[in-house]
Amino acid sequence: RKEVEQDPGPFNVPEGATVAFNCTYSNSASQSFFWYRQDCRKEPKLLMSVYSSGNEDGRFTAQLNRASQYISLLIRDSKLSDSATYLCVVKRDTGRRALTFGSGTRLQVQP
Amino acid sequence: NAGVMQNPRHLVRRRGQEARLRCSPMKGHSHVYWYRQLPEEGLKFMVYLQKENIIDESGMPKERFSAEFPKEGPSILRIQQVVRGDSAAYFCASSPQDRTGELFFGEGSRLTVL
Repeated sequence: RKEVEQDPGPFNVPEGATVAFNCTYSNSASQSFFWYRQDCRKEPKLLMSVYSSGNEDGRFTAQLNRASQYISLLIRDSKLSDSATYLCVVKRDTGRRALTFGSGTRLQVQP
Repeated sequence: NAGVMQNPRHLVRRRGQEARLRCSPMKGHSHVYWYRQLPEEGLKFMVYLQKENIIDESGMPKERFSAEFPKEGPSILRIQQVVRGDSAAYFCASSPQDRTGELFFGEGSRLTVL
């Protein structure tokens, strides 16, 4: 089983739609959580951290459910420029200290 | 402040040749990570280094792959006797400390093995 699982998509949504991505992680030692964004053939970039209480950054809302080992990302009022692959990322505080990336969920926002 | 610099951006090798990929971290960053991304797949951790030390190489194949981050100069990922399955994008990332969740990635080096 992969340490971080994501639905690969693609999610095809019209501009202005609200879309949600989910992610599950298997290692309960995971302590920190993030969403990264990767445009086609580009490098990944940090979108936002995910905090236990949930957090919002403009149109983006991230939530964490430690009991279910589940992370979500909600994008409201989708823009064409949101089209990208969204990577769910976890970090353990023991064992491997590097970030572990999910395979990503592809979003295509259509006009 | 230049970002993470990787070179070459594109590298073509024939089977059996060696590939050397270089990475200069962002200024002030002493932690370097190498990830590999196969077409249509996610990023797979390979190795984590600090200056002159390999901290975690649990993601590195046991044979043909090696990495270093010398006191002076860039980090180097070396692949000996390349095979077609080594064709991938190799991303380097750096961070100022290992407690951060933000890695700054280079644009990647795309290796094609003929």
